[in-house]
Amino acid sequence: DAKTTQPNSMESNEEEPVHLPCNHSTISGTDYIHWYRQLPSQGPEYVIHGLTSNVNNRMASLAIAEDRKSSTLILHRATLRDAAVYYCIPGVGGAGGTSYGKLTFGQGTILTVHP
Amino acid sequence: ETGVTQSPTHLIKTRGQQVTLRCSSQSGHNTVSWYQQALGQGPQFIFQYYREEENGRGNFPPRFSGLQFPNYSSELNVNALELDDSALYLCASSRGQNYGYTFGSGTRLTVV
Repeated sequence: DAKTTQPNSMESNEEEPVHLPCNHSTISGTDYIHWYRQLPSQGPEYVIHGLTSNVNNRMASLAIAEDRKSSTLILHRATLRDAAVYYCIPGVGGAGGTSYGKLTFGQGTILTVHP
Repeated sequence: ETGVTQSPTHLIKTRGQQVTLRCSSQSGHNTVSWYQQALGQGPQFIFQYYREEENGRGNFPPRFSGLQFPNYSSELNVNALELDDSALYLCASSRGQNYGYTFGSGTRLTVV
């Protein structure tokens, strides 16, 4: 499994953009980059995934470096509901996953959003 | 869509006992995975089932076992419970390899 490095914590103000970085320098050429988040007292929630190109969906945008050794999850306007632990997970396959669908969660980034 | 539902939400067991946790997958999902999440840690992959067959396993001993039923619901069984098995157990389902996983809210197991 590719190793990831994420900041332990980040803070933002409501309605401001948030850029959550992730380093995955050992990622293989076929690994997708997945992002999940976990709100307090809930299970993880799929956010977005991508391979090489930048990706957008209703929740967020994913910017992937040209060498694929890092990526950034972008929340365009943070809300209080976005306060969560954000996990960056490199893996094989599409949105689901890694080999056998195994998602390897690290420590993630704790995002605090201030009103 | 009803999402992934897990039962029970909380459970207290004694060391040495056996426990069964249940999961109802989201409609149309044929793949189910189980994770263990200790306090303050990220979830750890236990195993995955696809069409009733185990097709991947993490670093967990054989006393962790599972089943997937024809309706794609699933069970996680843990025998000979140890204190370190106290954790949040999460079930996740997916339509397949190219889709994201939908997680349940988990079962909080406490072993005393």
